[in-house]
Amino acid sequence: QQQVKQSPQSLIVQKGGISIINCAYENTAFDYFPWYQQFPGKGPALLIAIRPDVSEKKEGRFTISFNKSAKQFSLHIMDSQPGDSATYFCAAPISSGSARQLTFGSGTQLTVLP
Amino acid sequence: DSGVTQTPKHLITATGQRVTLRCSPRSGDLSVYWYQQSLDQGLQFLIQYYNGEERAKGNILERFSAQQFPDLHSELNLSSLELGDSALYFCASSVGRSLNTEAFFGQGTRLTVV
Repeated sequence: QQQVKQSPQSLIVQKGGISIINCAYENTAFDYFPWYQQFPGKGPALLIAIRPDVSEKKEGRFTISFNKSAKQFSLHIMDSQPGDSATYFCAAPISSGSARQLTFGSGTQLTVLP
Repeated sequence: DSGVTQTPKHLITATGQRVTLRCSPRSGDLSVYWYQQSLDQGLQFLIQYYNGEERAKGNILERFSAQQFPDLHSELNLSSLELGDSALYFCASSVGRSLNTEAFFGQGTRLTVV
């Protein structure tokens, strides 16, 4: 049962373009929404994260937009560069019994063409 | 370098065998998480330990077990291995027990069952 749904599965963007990846969640108890970036042969690394008390967070070329009413959050990569080519995962804490587990979306493979 | 160390990096073993994957968390981190990453399943949460105690359990098979030792390193034991267990196994660590802070991932152990 997928509680964090991510789209698209793959994305090809020209250098300098805007990359947009979307995630939808089902549980309203989430309080932390991170995005992780993974390069081939490496482990995922935190890229940027947002808490639901704000609707947007920007760090350099990366922006998270959060829509609480629609239960969606998205990652925007401005001025996309070939070095941004990687797999991106959204994630959220999901209740598992008395504890929570960080549940990842299915991933988006981003390719930025030079 | 995330500060999380996983050994070995690669492991090839036969069906029915047992293997142990090792993880050393970042200095000061008390939580250790194990994830399985396969092509068709994405990043699947297996189990979390916090300061030596099991905190959360995900889709971990009964053939798999884990523990966290007093020095906070963790081991994931996989037994009666099947071809379908071939995957990347990631360990991550974080400071606290909750999931609203950054989790740092190791570079993973690639397990191939033949």
